[in-house]
Amino acid sequence: EVQLVESGGGLVQPGGSLRLSCAASGFTFSSYEMNWVRQAPGKGLEWVSYISSSGSTIYYADSVKGRFTISRDNAKNSLYLQMNSLRAEDTAVYYCARVQLLLWFDPWGQGTLVTVSS
Amino acid sequence: EIVLTQSPATLSLSPGERATLSCRASQSVSSYLAWYQQKPGQAPRLLIYDASNRATGIPARFSGSGSGTDFTLTISSLEPEDFAVYYCQQRSNWPGATFGPGTKVDIK
Repeated sequence: EVQLVESGGGLVQPGGSLRLSCAASGFTFSSYEMNWVRQAPGKGLEWVSYISSSGSTIYYADSVKGRFTISRDNAKNSLYLQMNSLRAEDTAVYYCARVQLLLWFDPWGQGTLVTVSS
Repeated sequence: EIVLTQSPATLSLSPGERATLSCRASQSVSSYLAWYQQKPGQAPRLLIYDASNRATGIPARFSGSGSGTDFTLTISSLEPEDFAVYYCQQRSNWPGATFGPGTKVDIK
C-alpha cells in the first residue's frame, strides 16, 4: 500500500524554525517527484514546493521563497521541508503529496499541523 | 498567475440527487485540470485528472468534462459518503499549481 506519513509539526514562535518530514512507503520513492501543499485552518489548498525525483530541480511558491527549503533523501525514502523565519500566515496543515500521471497530486499524506504563534 | 473560480460555494442536495460543480479558469489551461475530494479531517483525494479521466478506484458516478477555461464535475447520484468539499486544480503554467477555493456539497 502506498503511504505517506508526515511528522514534525507543532507550535513555534514567529521567526522560529521547524523541519517537517514525510516518510514514504509502498512505492519506489526515488522514481517520483514530490510536493508540499498546505491548508490554513478552514481555508483552501496552497501549493508550497516541488522537488524532482533526483532532487536536482526545485520550485517554491513566492510566499515561501527564501524561507523554506525542500529536500529529499532517497536512501531513507524521505521528503523534508525546512521552514525558517516562520510567520503567523504560515500556520496550516502541511501535506506531502506524490506526483502521479505526470502532473497530479496522488496520494497525499494525512498532514501535520504547524502553528506559528507567540 | 492563473486564477480558478469555483461555483457555487455551497451546494445543498439530498442523497440520490445529481450534483454539478463548476470550475472556471482565468485563462486557458487546456485539459490540465484535476478535481479533488476532501472530507473533514482528511487529506484531499484525486478524483479526476486531465479534465475527464477518473483516477484509480473512483466510482463511475463521478465524471469530469470541459477544456480551455470551463470545467464541470458531475456526481450522477449522490451517495452519503460524497458529501465533502471539492477542489479543482490546474497545472497549465508549471512550476506552480493553483487550486480553486472549493465547493462544499452538503446534505439538504
